[in-house]
Amino acid sequence: QVTLRESGPAPVKSTETLTLTCSVSGFSLNTDGMCVSWLRRTPGKALQWLAVIDYKDKKFYNPSLQTRLSIAKDASRSQVVLTLTDMDPIDAGTYFCARTMGYCAGGVWPPLDYWGQGIPVIVS
Amino acid sequence: SSELTQDPDVSVVLGQTVRITCQGDSLRKFRASWYQLKPGQAPILVLYGKNVRPSGIPDRFSGSTSGNTGSLTITAAQAEDEADYFCSSRDGSGKELGLLGGGTRVSVL
Repeated sequence: QVTLRESGPAPVKSTETLTLTCSVSGFSLNTDGMCVSWLRRTPGKALQWLAVIDYKDKKFYNPSLQTRLSIAKDASRSQVVLTLTDMDPIDAGTYFCARTMGYCAGGVWPPLDYWGQGIPVIVS
Repeated sequence: SSELTQDPDVSVVLGQTVRITCQGDSLRKFRASWYQLKPGQAPILVLYGKNVRPSGIPDRFSGSTSGNTGSLTITAAQAEDEADYFCSSRDGSGKELGLLGGGTRVSVL
């Protein structure tokens, strides 16, 4: 059974760095073609793709946030970690991790077939 | 242009049919995928490709494309279909990154 679960801190303060972890099970992060993305949904209700890491550790970022984002994986622990620096209240929302397979540079395509339930992020 | 546009809100009477649309030039080349989002739950992929439903998705969900518009149709909508729906697709302008629509809130009355 494929599952993804996000975890992270309670409120984060403005200007601090947000670190979120996506713990996966039911598949390997090293499987050929595997990609894990992070997305968020902000109070304005828009869904925004943030970053992806592929099975070879190749990384792609949303150009509008690229300077603040970093994504990494630890396949031995089945975890993908996202960091977002210089947090601002507009960064508050729900953050999701999700997986796709085949082509990772597309972000939201191929379709994201499994998602975590998301983690709320509050910026104080 | 490289964007997908959705109506913010639609409503449907329980048991009736509702169509959720997604407009964008990329849909002239590529089919939309559709996600269902409910508060506190993992988003679900409900449709992709040429009207393909992932395992477990009821057949009351169907998709179609006409010109630059992709549609997700819910036939005989149920109370549990009340959710936000987002479309996505590959970018038809040659950019690598895919596109996400702004989302549609579906209310079942």
